Amino acid sequence: QVQLVESGGGVVQPGGSLRLSCAASGFTFSSYGMHWVRQAPGKGLEWVAFIWFDGSNKIYGDSVKGRFTISRDNSKNTLYLQMNSLRTEDTAIYYCAKGGGGDQREFFDYWGQGTLVTVSS
Amino acid sequence: QSVLTQPPSASGTPGQRVTISCSGSSSNIGSNYVYWYQQLPGTAPKLLIYRNNQRPSGVPDRFSGSRSGTSASLAISGLRSEDEADYYCAAWDDSLSGPVFGGGTKLTVL
Repeated sequence: QVQLVESGGGVVQPGGSLRLSCAASGFTFSSYGMHWVRQAPGKGLEWVAFIWFDGSNKIYGDSVKGRFTISRDNSKNTLYLQMNSLRTEDTAIYYCAKGGGGDQREFFDYWGQGTLVTVSS
Repeated sequence: QSVLTQPPSASGTPGQRVTISCSGSSSNIGSNYVYWYQQLPGTAPKLLIYRNNQRPSGVPDRFSGSRSGTSASLAISGLRSEDEADYYCAAWDDSLSGPVFGGGTKLTVL
């Protein structure tokens, strides 16, 4: 069964950095694009970033472009999100999600349990 | 402000049929598939409907999706208490070059 386990969340000051990880199992990780999606406390879902199955291309939401970097290590079945220049509005639960079949950019067929990032002084 | 528009709340009694709407534009729902996600309290979202009206294995046929023009809807028939959750619609947006979500609809089973 597909499992996605995020880690690396925590409390960080505005302007700081944090790296999230997502360990994947139960499917051929190197064959699927992967996403990060976030949810601010009590708010709705916001797509953050997507990386192609081989890491050859990456796309980002406007609110994180230039500050966040998505990457992957297919030899370790792990997805990453490097977050720099963090702002208070980046406070959210960050979910790792597997791209769905077909055009994997479009949707998310499995989600991790999420890791909480709090940006506060 | 979400790109896709959903009513913030919906409700129904057990056994009833409830529909949740999702309104978009020609750059998202009007030209791409619609997806629905269910988020039970305190848990991660789960894929409920994909490609407008397809159900992943394990999703009961009480859940159905449809799309018409720049709008979509999720219907839940035979409402059950365990359907109480937040529901989100989503679609790829050609102008923004990324997936976009509705603001979510909180479904209450009375």
